[in-house]
Amino acid sequence: KNQVEQSPQSLIILEGKNCTLQCNYTVSPFSNLRWYKQDTGRGPVSLTIMTFSENTKSNGRYTATLDADTKQSSLHITASQLSDSASYICVVSATGGNNRLAFGKGNQVVVIP
Amino acid sequence: EAGVTQFPSHSVIEKGQTVTLRCDPISGHDNLYWYRRVMGKEIKFLLHFVKESKQDESGMPNNRFLAERTGGTYSTLKVQPAELEDSGVYFCASSQVGIHGYTFGSGTRLTVV
Repeated sequence: KNQVEQSPQSLIILEGKNCTLQCNYTVSPFSNLRWYKQDTGRGPVSLTIMTFSENTKSNGRYTATLDADTKQSSLHITASQLSDSASYICVVSATGGNNRLAFGKGNQVVVIP
Repeated sequence: EAGVTQFPSHSVIEKGQTVTLRCDPISGHDNLYWYRRVMGKEIKFLLHFVKESKQDESGMPNNRFLAERTGGTYSTLKVQPAELEDSGVYFCASSQVGIHGYTFGSGTRLTVV
């Protein structure tokens, strides 16, 4: 079983609407959680990174939340744009290790006009 | 600042052939990572270099995979002989020591036929 589970696997939203992506993880001991955006044919690009003590972080229209007690995170996209169509990947890092990252499979978002 | 560069972007080879992937990290980044995503699965760790030394290679699938980072600059990942299950997208990422942020390359899409 993967240590990082994301839902929904995919979704289609209308331009201008909001959406929320979910990430549940079992990685322990927890160091930080990142959300990446991956456009087709490109590598993942970092949107946010949160440590244990942070429960929300924003990057423009992207807002990530973290509940380290329940081991859940969400990524909220506000006023979606066509350019938001991409895969959004939740990535969790453990402490005391070798900097290895555990990846979710990603949420595939398609924004339609 | 130039990003992480990977060559080639695509490679199609026959089963049994050899392929070498290259990654040029961001200048000054001592940490270099190789990851792989096979179809339908999450991105998985392969190995981690700190400068020219292999810090962790526990994610390498088998001895048909050989990674090098001579001189602590660019890195190569050789697959010899390639098998069908090696098909996927191989990502390279780099970071500075002690810094959590990673920068990913665009990946090399390897198809073994």
